[in-house]
Amino acid sequence: GESVGLHLPTLSVQEGDNSIINCAYSNSASDYFIWYKQESGKGPQFIIDIRSNMDKRQGQRVTVLLNKTVKHLSLQIAATQPGDSAVYFCAENIGSSNTGKLIFGQGTTLQVKP
Amino acid sequence: DSGVTQTPKHLITATGQRVTLRCSPRSGDLSVYWYQQSLDQGLQFLIQYYNGEERAKGNILERFSAQQFPDLHSELNLSSLELGDSALYFCASSRSRTVFFGSGTRLTVV
Repeated sequence: GESVGLHLPTLSVQEGDNSIINCAYSNSASDYFIWYKQESGKGPQFIIDIRSNMDKRQGQRVTVLLNKTVKHLSLQIAATQPGDSAVYFCAENIGSSNTGKLIFGQGTTLQVKP
Repeated sequence: DSGVTQTPKHLITATGQRVTLRCSPRSGDLSVYWYQQSLDQGLQFLIQYYNGEERAKGNILERFSAQQFPDLHSELNLSSLELGDSALYFCASSRSRTVFFGSGTRLTVV
């Protein structure tokens, strides 16, 4: 069935450490993945995306890794800062550029300790 | 700021009532999406419109309907409201596969 799941509901890290948030997806037909950050009272904010023809993509302080063999996605945040505290969602998309239905995971809460 | 505008930000209404949520997409985006976020269901896709036409449908109840107007803004109509409809409703838009979300409307049904 369609599902995107996260391994850990809460991740607590020390400020300055690197964070790794994991996500498993079940639909092998998914070919596009997005990570979102949601702060309290706000909408999901785009962080980074990756297409299934890539294994890795880097942004500013963030890296997304895709392992299609085991259907696993991860978000790495370097030098985690207090402002990174939020809920992080992975989302998968199947289909063409005009069908943007996203299937979201349950989310992981990232807590950054000062 | 994502560029997606939603109004109102908060809405409190009674069971059985009808409400309309409004969304203005980012400039140039033809696709508009509606998502529902509740504590027990997470973020759920409801419906997508592309340039005025319905493009994809998700877990949208028959009591809910949406439309996209010629100026590309969209409305989500929720009727015969029940307590369980209390949730955050997000509008999102895109012109490619990257979807950008608004800040949401928090609906409370009492």
